[in-house]
Amino acid sequence: GESVGLHLPTLSVQEGDNSIINCAYSNSASDYFIWYKQESGKGPQFIIDIRSNMDKRQGQRVTVLLNKTVKHLSLQIAATQPGDSAVYFCAENRGTSYDKVIFGPGTSLSVIP
Amino acid sequence: ETGVTQSPTHLIKTRGQQVTLRCSSQSGHNTVSWYQQALGQGPQFIFQYYREEENGRGNFPPRFSGLQFPNYSSELNVNALELDDSALYLCASSFRESEETQYFGPGTRLLVL
Repeated sequence: GESVGLHLPTLSVQEGDNSIINCAYSNSASDYFIWYKQESGKGPQFIIDIRSNMDKRQGQRVTVLLNKTVKHLSLQIAATQPGDSAVYFCAENRGTSYDKVIFGPGTSLSVIP
Repeated sequence: ETGVTQSPTHLIKTRGQQVTLRCSSQSGHNTVSWYQQALGQGPQFIFQYYREEENGRGNFPPRFSGLQFPNYSSELNVNALELDDSALYLCASSFRESEETQYFGPGTRLLVL
C-alpha cells in the first residue's frame, strides 16, 4: 500500500554538526508534507511543513527539501544541539482537509556532546 | 507546549475491559483527530471529529469509537480491550477552515494486561 517511510532508523551526530534526515513517500498525488519532532514522553511537535509547489522551505535552523521527481523529503538541522535529540517523523497529509496525517516510522536522532 | 490537553496521562486496564480517554482541544480549534502510537512506531490515524460528527476513519475496528462535544473536546472509547491496544493515544486539534497544521497533546499511555 501507499506509505511514507524513512531511509535511516537511527542517526548520531556530533554537537555543532549539521544533521540530515531523509524520507521517501510513495503517493505522488500528496501535496503537503510535515516534519514532526517527538521527545520522550511527549506528543509530536510541529517543526516545519512544505507544499508540493515548493522545493525548499527554511525555518529557524531547519530546512526542508522536497524532490517530487524521486518522491523524497529531507530535513536539515543546522548546528545540531543536544536538545535536538528526539525521534523525527515525516508525515504526508492526505484527504480534503489538512488534518488526516499519515506518519512514517521515524528516525531517532542522537546528539553527541 | 500546545494548548491541547489529555487525560489521564497513564492508565492500566485488563483485557476485555472498556476505556475512555479524553482530549481538550486548543482554544479556537474545532477539529480533533485521534492517533494510536505503538512503541517504536509512528502514530496511526484512528478517526477525526468535526462539528460533533466523525469525519474520516483509519483502519480501526468498530470497538474504537468517539465523541465530540459542543465545546469541541473529545473522547475516545475502546471496548473489549486487547493486549495489542497497549499504546500511546494521541489527540490533535486544528481549525478546519484554515490551512494551519494540527497540534498534538501529550498523549495517554494505555497498558492492557
